[in-house]
Amino acid sequence: EIVLTQSPGTLSLSPGDRATLSCRASQTISSNYLAWYQQKPGQPPSLLIYGASTRATGIPDRFSGSGSGTDFTLTISRLEPEDFAIYYCQHYGNSPFTFGPGTKVDIK
Amino acid sequence: QEHLVESGGAVVQPGRSLRLACAASGFTFSHYGLHWVRQAPGKGLEWVAIISYDGSNKDYAKSVKGRFTISRDNDRNTLYLQMSSLSAEDTAVYYCARARLPNYSYYFALDVWGQGTTVTVSS
Repeated sequence: EIVLTQSPGTLSLSPGDRATLSCRASQTISSNYLAWYQQKPGQPPSLLIYGASTRATGIPDRFSGSGSGTDFTLTISRLEPEDFAIYYCQHYGNSPFTFGPGTKVDIK
Repeated sequence: QEHLVESGGAVVQPGRSLRLACAASGFTFSHYGLHWVRQAPGKGLEWVAIISYDGSNKDYAKSVKGRFTISRDNDRNTLYLQMSSLSAEDTAVYYCARARLPNYSYYFALDVWGQGTTVTVSS
């Protein structure tokens, strides 16, 4: 089973700041089958990035994903007020399709 | 517009069973793999189960294997999760979600999510 570790647990930033979130896997994720999701309070998660670096439909270009193998990064270039949320990574290359524990981006 | 709507959540006693449903609309249901994902109160996301487009392949998280059964009715555009031997650790919001691409394979990110249904296991 692939275990995903996300860091930091909480990121306290201001609107306009750059956010860098990390997701590390316990073993290589094949074909970059790594996704990022955003979840706001009381809402289901929504897909941001798949294939480690491809933005999902309608996702603004301030969100970008990078990485391969075991180390992946989600970058939000300039935080907008609506970006303060929890972000999860997930691998989907094989079962179990585990999620990371999440990084909370909150307002400083 | 693609939609998933879960139902069936309830307060149930430990050891009892419950069946959740997820009704789909706005896309060709029978072409997509589907997942159940749960979230305990104040906790992160936990993947629970997956079923292929035609129901021929299924897989489960270790925590639910042998107790939960995922199934689908492609004529009714509905996904199910039959849960048995429930315990307090199963208390969560249960989401259904769609694999991103229509395919015999289901190794895709989850692009459409329902709003969730709440299961509380308590005596």
